[in-house]
Amino acid sequence: AQKVTQAQTEISVVEKEDVTLDCVYETRDTTYYLFWYKQPPSGELVFLIRRNSFDEQNEISGRYSWNFQKSTSSFNFTITASQVVDSAVYFCALSLEGETSGSRLTFGEGTQLTVNP
Amino acid sequence: DAGVTQSPTHLIKTRGQQVTLRCSPKSGHDTVSWYQQALGQGPQFIFQYYEEEERQRGNFPDRVSGHQFPNYSSELNVNALLLGDSALYLCASSLEGDNSPLHFGNGTRLTVT
Repeated sequence: AQKVTQAQTEISVVEKEDVTLDCVYETRDTTYYLFWYKQPPSGELVFLIRRNSFDEQNEISGRYSWNFQKSTSSFNFTITASQVVDSAVYFCALSLEGETSGSRLTFGEGTQLTVNP
Repeated sequence: DAGVTQSPTHLIKTRGQQVTLRCSPKSGHDTVSWYQQALGQGPQFIFQYYEEEERQRGNFPDRVSGHQFPNYSSELNVNALLLGDSALYLCASSLEGDNSPLHFGNGTRLTVT
């Protein structure tokens, strides 16, 4: 069975601080996908990134960056120069290859990020 | 281009009642998945529908069922409601064979009293 752990339940920072959200996963499969989603108060899950297990390159997208390390089964997410609009619940998730379109996601418990002005 | 739409937005039911939630997938999508998200927790996979059939199912009892219609829209039904069924129910759509990520709707907030 798969498992995703987000040990940080809540994080509070002041605007412009950098913040890292941790994600640790467990799976016996060698081929899988990792995701990050953002959930604002409206409830909709907004896709941020997907990584497959063979691609350990770190990725940067604007103020967002992701660090994937298979050796530690971690897929951490960093927001640089945080803004109030970044306040939301962030979920890390995993799906196995073969589960069409990655539709069967195993989610972590989420991290509530609050960015204060 | 309409995204995933769900109805109703909120719903209050009493224990023992039955409820039906509805989902219209994003235009061009043919696969619908449902997730249950209890307060303060991550979403849990319920099931996936493709070509009007349930293709995958998570660890949910038989009183939770679904349906997909020829126009790809979907319903989720819960019978004999329990207090523990109170949650946000999220619908997500995708296109079979397309490797793009899921698109989620805003969800239906179900409260069972």
